[in-house]
Amino acid sequence: DTGVSQDPRHKITKRGQNVTFRCDPISEHNRLYWYRQTLGQGPEFLTYFQNEAQLEKSRLLSDRFSAERPKGSFSTLEIQRTEQGDSAMYLCASSPPTTLAYGYTFGSGTRLTVV
Amino acid sequence: ILNVEQSPQSLHVQEGDSTNFTCSFPSSNFYALHWYRWETAKSPEALFVMTLNGDEKKKGRISATLNTKEGYSYLYIKGSQPEDSATYLCAPSNTGNQFYFGTGTSLTVIP
Repeated sequence: DTGVSQDPRHKITKRGQNVTFRCDPISEHNRLYWYRQTLGQGPEFLTYFQNEAQLEKSRLLSDRFSAERPKGSFSTLEIQRTEQGDSAMYLCASSPPTTLAYGYTFGSGTRLTVV
Repeated sequence: ILNVEQSPQSLHVQEGDSTNFTCSFPSSNFYALHWYRWETAKSPEALFVMTLNGDEKKKGRISATLNTKEGYSYLYIKGSQPEDSATYLCAPSNTGNQFYFGTGTSLTVIP
């Protein structure tokens, strides 16, 4: 297993366009998380899945954001009608059922620039 | 949402110096705390998972302590090396489902 993979690494899009990011977690990990980091801030929680079920979603997440994890494997994060404020690094992480032993394993992130 | 504060925001030290950073968080309903190291152009890497008051963890020259009663954790680096240059993030949780990250301490070790 090569770790958590995210695609694409970079995305530049025009305001108003839709974008979709993909995350492939470590295969043995049933938990998957999406975080967003903006300049000067720490990663901010967006949502998390246990297998295919989306169990928590940040109240800060607008309705333009949606995430899926079909069949409990890879996950996609879609942003509709992008705005300049969506420009950020989007991080995906996975973990076993408990984070008490190892914490998260993060991917390299997708950097989104909205112009 | 947990209010997490890390200090200092940035730090420059000479190679061989020892240094430490602070992570402060609400002491009520504590579940666990993670420390991560994030080097430029790489993924954040988990350093420690801390759960019990008084926990001390060590990994090579890096160690961490936890005080859940007063709501803080310290990260220590002994004999800093240039390869230690990175941003160090702490992330406590009160449920184990969401971890709330601080803004990090950016460490630069000058050769």
